[in-house]
Amino acid sequence: NAGVTQTPKFRILKIGQSMTLQCAQDMNHNYMYWYRQDPGMGLKLIYYSVGAGITDKGEVPNGYNVSRSTTEDFPLRLELAAPSQTSVYFCASSNRPGGAGYTFGSGTRLTVV
Amino acid sequence: AQKITQTQPGMFVQEKEAVTLDCTYDTSDQSYGLFWYKQPSSGEMIFLIYQGSYDEQNATEGRYSLNFQKARKSANLVISASQLGDSAMYFCAMREETGANSKLTFGKGITLSVRP
Repeated sequence: NAGVTQTPKFRILKIGQSMTLQCAQDMNHNYMYWYRQDPGMGLKLIYYSVGAGITDKGEVPNGYNVSRSTTEDFPLRLELAAPSQTSVYFCASSNRPGGAGYTFGSGTRLTVV
Repeated sequence: AQKITQTQPGMFVQEKEAVTLDCTYDTSDQSYGLFWYKQPSSGEMIFLIYQGSYDEQNATEGRYSLNFQKARKSANLVISASQLGDSAMYFCAMREETGANSKLTFGKGITLSVRP
């Protein structure tokens, strides 16, 4: 059982480059979330989705975009990478909104130089 | 104002002893949920325990229990009989709102080190 799969695990980007962080879940969860974790800090919500075709901004959405064309996939797009986006990115899914225990992916460590 | 406050510096505990990790929260909602997650050095986020605001009894899950004091708005995690594998970062989180737009807000975390 795969759960939530994030790719890549590590990536180094140059300033101004773009990339997509992939997130896929196989649990048929409607609710999916993208968080970022800066060093020594807690997780901050970037974007979330309550179902296919529906997305909404979280606490720190600037510099990011998302789409949710299927229940399974929730990619996060960085258009013009900046050093401030150096962080660890976590994708999570849930069968209930803010449910009793998200299932998290293993994270993507992104460095922008 | 922070919604979730975790102010303890790095915590240390002797193996087999109990430890309490503090968490206070701020909300005006009547219905909310409180969560604790563990993040070991490998980086994954592991769900530990959940307490609903209307739950009258403190939640327990194995060696983990949540000391929920609603009037004080605190939700401290108690780990009994600490093990070396408990060394990790611990995050308190809160879910406000009901309905589709509810989501988790995390505190900054507490580092726990278990000494042999």
